[in-house]
This record gives sequence, C-alpha cells and structure tokens, in this order.
Amino acid sequence: LAKTTQPISMDSYEGQEVNITCSHNNIATNDYITWYQQFPSQGPRFIIQGYKTKVTNEVASLFIPADRKSSTLSLPRVSLSDTAVYYCLVGSNAGNMLTFGGGTRLMVKP
Amino acid sequence: DAGVTQSPTHLIKTRGQQVTLRCSPKSGHDTVSWYQQALGQGPQFIFQYYEEEERQRGNFPDRFSGHQFPNYSSELNVNALLLGDSALYLCASGMGAAPYEQYFGPGTRLTVT
Repeated sequence: LAKTTQPISMDSYEGQEVNITCSHNNIATNDYITWYQQFPSQGPRFIIQGYKTKVTNEVASLFIPADRKSSTLSLPRVSLSDTAVYYCLVGSNAGNMLTFGGGTRLMVKP
Repeated sequence: DAGVTQSPTHLIKTRGQQVTLRCSPKSGHDTVSWYQQALGQGPQFIFQYYEEEERQRGNFPDRFSGHQFPNYSSELNVNALLLGDSALYLCASGMGAAPYEQYFGPGTRLTVT
C-alpha cells in the first residue's frame, strides 16, 4: 500500500480557501486517492475521491497532477465547523481496507 | 434512513475481561469493517466481513474476532483485554466486496482499566 505524507496541522481563518497537500510517491497504477474528514468523537466521513486531474463536489475539490505523486484537497471559504482532522488515503478500489495515516489537523479561527 | 449505528457508546472493562461491540450497517449496505483508533492517531483496520465471512484482516492478534449475521449486522469480540486495547472502535459499512466509499458509525469508546 502506498504511504502518504501530509502536514500534521494547519491553521486558517473563516472565509479563506484551504489547501491540504498529500504526498504519495509510491502510488500504484490502480490506486485511487480518497480524503476523509473526522470530527472529535465521531467516525470519519468520506469527502472526495479521484484518480487523476481534478474532481469537484459540493464540499471540496481534489487536484491531482499528471504524475499522481501528490494530491491537494481544496476547501473553499472554510468556516469554524470545518475544524477537523483530514485524512488522505491511497488504495485500490479493488481492495476494501482503508489505510489511514496521521491526518492533518485543521484549525479554523474566527 | 438510519446511518451506521454502534452500541454501546461507552464501555469500561478490566484487564483480562472479554468485550463484545455491535454494529448495524447503513440501510442497503452489506459489508462491515471494523477499525481501532487510539487517541491522536488515525483509525487502524482490524477486519472486514462480507457475506458473513471475514474477507480481509489487518495486523491484529487472534484475540480480536468478529461475526456477521444474515441481516448484515456485525459484532466485534475482544478477549483477554489489555490496557492497550483502550481506544475508539469504529464500524464502517459499504456495498459489495470492495465498497467505493465507506460510511462510519460514531464508534464505541472502550476503556480498559
């Protein structure tokens, strides 16, 4: 399984765009990139998944360069309620085991 | 439409005891996975059940066992509890043998004293 590296923590202010980058140098051809969000004392919540280029949904955007060795989760105009831990996961959809790293603790300040 | 539910919410056990945690998957889901999350760390995969069989297992000892029932609900059993088993135990459900995305329950907080 490809190992991921992401910043331990980030601070932002309400209304700003937040970009969290994840490195996955050993990503395999059939691996997808998935991001989860976790609030304290709750289970992780699926945010977005992509394979290459750009994916956008109502919550976030995911940018993946051509070499796929990194990815960036973009959260537009964050609010205080976006304060959470964000996990970047890399794995094949043919596999069903999610491998979580340490995640990035995002703190949104007023 | 109920999401993933887990019981109990909190549990306190003594070293050496045994514990059973329960999970009901989201409506329409047939795959259940269990994860252990220690304080300040990401969830660690324990095992996954599909069609009442354990399909994949993480790096956990045999003290951790599980079961899936015909209605797709699942139990996680931990025998001979150790202090290090204190954690948040998360259940996640999905559809099919290789779910595209998994839905997590709120977890069961287990404290071993």
